[in-house]
Amino acid sequence: DQQVKQNSPSLSVQEGRISILNCDYTNSMFDYFLWYKKYPAEGPTFLISISSIKDKNEDGRFTVFLNKSAKHLSLHIVPSQPGDSAVYFCAKVPNSGYALNFGKGTSLLVTP
Amino acid sequence: NAGVMQNPRHLVRRRGQEARLRCSPMKGHSHVYWYRQLPEEGLKFMVYLQKENIIDESGMPKERFSAEFPKEGPSILRIQQVVRGDSAAYFCASSPKGHYSNQPQHFGDGTRLSIL
Repeated sequence: DQQVKQNSPSLSVQEGRISILNCDYTNSMFDYFLWYKKYPAEGPTFLISISSIKDKNEDGRFTVFLNKSAKHLSLHIVPSQPGDSAVYFCAKVPNSGYALNFGKGTSLLVTP
Repeated sequence: NAGVMQNPRHLVRRRGQEARLRCSPMKGHSHVYWYRQLPEEGLKFMVYLQKENIIDESGMPKERFSAEFPKEGPSILRIQQVVRGDSAAYFCASSPKGHYSNQPQHFGDGTRLSIL
């Protein structure tokens, strides 16, 4: 039961442009949605999160948008940099819970 | 290094052998989680432990898999009589609290288990 879906396995963006990574979810009874970034042979690194009571959260070049009616989450990276090239995982954590539920990831390539 | 430490980074076992994966949480963290990532998949929750207690093992296979987090020492994920399907990356995460309250889980770099 894939409760978090990342339908784009890969994305290529030019340096300086905006990267938009998307995530859909099938259950809305959750407190937090998170984005993790993962480089090869390393563990996921927390990037940014958003509570289900908010629509937007911003941290430097990274902004996460939550559209609860569409059950859709997106991560915007602007401007994109070559060092942003990694796999990005969307995840959610249940209300009063702890087990992260991850999507399959989107591989982002930022070209110079 | 104050991060989550996992060892070994790579582990090769033959079918039928035992695999032991170790995880030392971040300093000050008493909650440990194990996740497994199969090829081309996202991470899947396996088990959640606190010191000397298994809180939730609902994501862990009922047979051959076990986990512990003793009072002293690292958390151990043990896989007995390994099979080819156990080949995966196993990640450990830790957090200061069990309930997510704006305290993200911090992950180690994983153990890549290969079964010959």
